[in-house]
Amino acid sequence: DAGITQSPRHKVTETGTPVTLRCHQTENHRYMYWYRQDPGHGLRLIHYSYGVKDTDKGEVSDGYSVSRSKTEDFLLTLESATSSQTSVYFCAISVGPEAYEQYFGPGTRLTVT
Amino acid sequence: KNQVEQSPQSLIILEGKNCTLQCNYTVSPFSNLRWYKQDTGRGPVSLTIMTFSENTKSNGRYTATLDADTKQSSLHITASQLSDSASYICVVSARTGNQFYFGTGTSLTVIP
Repeated sequence: DAGITQSPRHKVTETGTPVTLRCHQTENHRYMYWYRQDPGHGLRLIHYSYGVKDTDKGEVSDGYSVSRSKTEDFLLTLESATSSQTSVYFCAISVGPEAYEQYFGPGTRLTVT
Repeated sequence: KNQVEQSPQSLIILEGKNCTLQCNYTVSPFSNLRWYKQDTGRGPVSLTIMTFSENTKSNGRYTATLDADTKQSSLHITASQLSDSASYICVVSARTGNQFYFGTGTSLTVIP
């Protein structure tokens, strides 16, 4: 599992509240990713990071922000949660000489009521 | 447009039978293709990785094939077990940047 943990694993929150999800890795990999997974859709990239304080947007970044102040932690924040952000969120890291092999965390199930 | 399409969307088979899942892609320039298994409530776990020069790779009862000319891949599962029940996701990487393209997965159910 490449030493990836996510917290919390489950969360229920109300519309309009801020939410922060944490991804932690233990092996100092450079690339980290946040995806969301919804029925009928493949995993969709929200944001990714290629180093400390280096982040970029993915295809579904609206309503999300990220921060990476340490190599091992990548935080995903929903500034004001909406019901459309109810989803399962996965963190991933990529390894290998061309960083093409991905390992995923266990996921966080977020419900926005 | 870079896309990955998987078929069938879902599949039910009897325990002990074989099955084949399909993945077609339009990603270019191609770097590699991976098959993942995702159990319910868990993160995806890599089964196989294939680069342009590889056309077959096995991992136990799982065998993946790649035809880079037709941009097709298949995952063959031999002598299925109940524990094979999961979603199988095809992911293609492009050589330009750090880009991963995900299929929507095939949901496999193995019944006794």
